[in-house]
Amino acid sequence: GAVVSQHPSRVICKSGTSVKIECRSLDFQATTMFWYRQFPKQSLMLMATSNEGSKATYEQGVEKDKFLINHASLTLSTLTVTSAHPEDSSFYICSARGGGGLSSYNEQFFGPGTRLTVL
Amino acid sequence: DQQVKQNSPSLSVQEGRISILNCDYTNSMFDYFLWYKKYPAEGPTFLISISSIKDKNEDGRFTVFLNKSAKHLSLHIVPSQPGDSAVYFCAASSGVSGSARQLTFGSGTQLTVLP
Repeated sequence: GAVVSQHPSRVICKSGTSVKIECRSLDFQATTMFWYRQFPKQSLMLMATSNEGSKATYEQGVEKDKFLINHASLTLSTLTVTSAHPEDSSFYICSARGGGGLSSYNEQFFGPGTRLTVL
Repeated sequence: DQQVKQNSPSLSVQEGRISILNCDYTNSMFDYFLWYKKYPAEGPTFLISISSIKDKNEDGRFTVFLNKSAKHLSLHIVPSQPGDSAVYFCAASSGVSGSARQLTFGSGTQLTVLP
């Protein structure tokens, strides 16, 4: 099946710093990548949708200047949490979807997630 | 307003028996449904999906049933195994223009299979 990786898996940072999380599709070209956030014992909440080479589309309530998304290539998307605060502490998960081949257009394949802790 | 609902936060089943996880949705534009399995501190793993043109899809021990009139779907796991213990998320998407086939997730059901 399609493999999606995320790096780092865990990060602890001080309040006010910025953190970059990478999401890579390893064996297929991801035309679209999604970023989710999950709070403990809650569902995955979609933050934004990014298409390669274009600006990300953010969900209502998600600050685009705080959560910067770059999808510069068909295999890499990055999420940068700028000026992180303790309330940004969460589990961030990316998913990728290709245009066909290994990845059905209807299916998303998820990365393992990144646990962010802001002190 | 939750468009995808999993009303049972947890379910315990004896090993070898059937596990039935339920999911309800409200958006009639949803036309594709998926089930994901998730372990703590890991990303969801795709299990099985079903298009709205079907009412059943089977893959090994996993079967998904769709009742469009009731806006209800269920995942059956038989026989259940201890390794199936995880959180199961139901997700739905629509082909509405501009939707980018985004997934809307339910809140999840923790399945525990007892040995």
